[in-house]
Amino acid sequence: AQSVAQPEDQVNVAEGNPLTVKCTYSVSGNPYLFWYVQYPNRGLQFLLKYITGDNLVKGSYGFEAEFNKSQTSFHLKKPSALVSDSALYFCAVRDRDNYGQNFVFGPGTRLSVLP
Amino acid sequence: ETGVTQTPRHLVMGMTNKKSLKCEQHLGHNAMYWYKQSAKKPLELMFVYNFKEQTENNSVPSRFSPECPNSSHLFLHLHTLQPEDSALYLCASSQAEASGRLNTGELFFGEGSRLTVL
Repeated sequence: AQSVAQPEDQVNVAEGNPLTVKCTYSVSGNPYLFWYVQYPNRGLQFLLKYITGDNLVKGSYGFEAEFNKSQTSFHLKKPSALVSDSALYFCAVRDRDNYGQNFVFGPGTRLSVLP
Repeated sequence: ETGVTQTPRHLVMGMTNKKSLKCEQHLGHNAMYWYKQSAKKPLELMFVYNFKEQTENNSVPSRFSPECPNSSHLFLHLHTLQPEDSALYLCASSQAEASGRLNTGELFFGEGSRLTVL
C-alpha cells in the first residue's frame, strides 16, 4: 500500500533563510511525487512534480524538490523564504507501476516564515 | 476564472436538511474527485469518477451521494448529515487514465466548500 509521511507538523524559519519541508514515501512500485500548497480557506495549489529524469525538480514560486530513491524522500526546498510562503504544504504520491492507484497525500506541514 | 469552480463556498445546514455541493471544471479533464478535509486530519479521498463512471467509493456513508452527469460537472448530494461531517469539501480534476496508460498529471483543486452541520 502507498503511504506518505511528513515528519514535521510545523516548520518555522526566518525570512530570507533557506527552508526545507520533509517528505518520505512508500510505494510498491516506482513513484510519481507531487507537492501542493494550501493557503487559509483555499484549495490546494500544485507546486511541482517528479515523474522521471532529473532528480532535482523546479516548480512555482522558487520552490524545488529533490527526489532521492535510496532514501525514499522528496523534500521541498527554497533558498530564501518569504513571509508569503507561510501556508500548509502537502506531499503526495502515486504508484506508477500500479495502474489505477489514486493519489495518497501526507498529513501536511505548516510552514511559518517569520519576518 | 479558475479551472475548477466549487459552489457554494460556504454552507450551513441542519441535520435534517438536503443540500448539494457543485463542482465544475473547465480544463477538459475526464476524471473528477471529491475529498474531505477536516481539522487535524489527513485529506480523505471520498469518490472518484473516470469518464463519468464511479471508480472509487472510499467507504463513504450513504448520507453522501455523488453524481457525475458529464465529465465537466460533479455533485455531492447531502442528506441527514451529522455534526462530525462539518469540513472543507474539495473537488479536484485530472486527466483520466486511458486504457494501458497511467496518467502522470497532477490534480487541480477547487477552492472548496466549507460545510457546517448544526
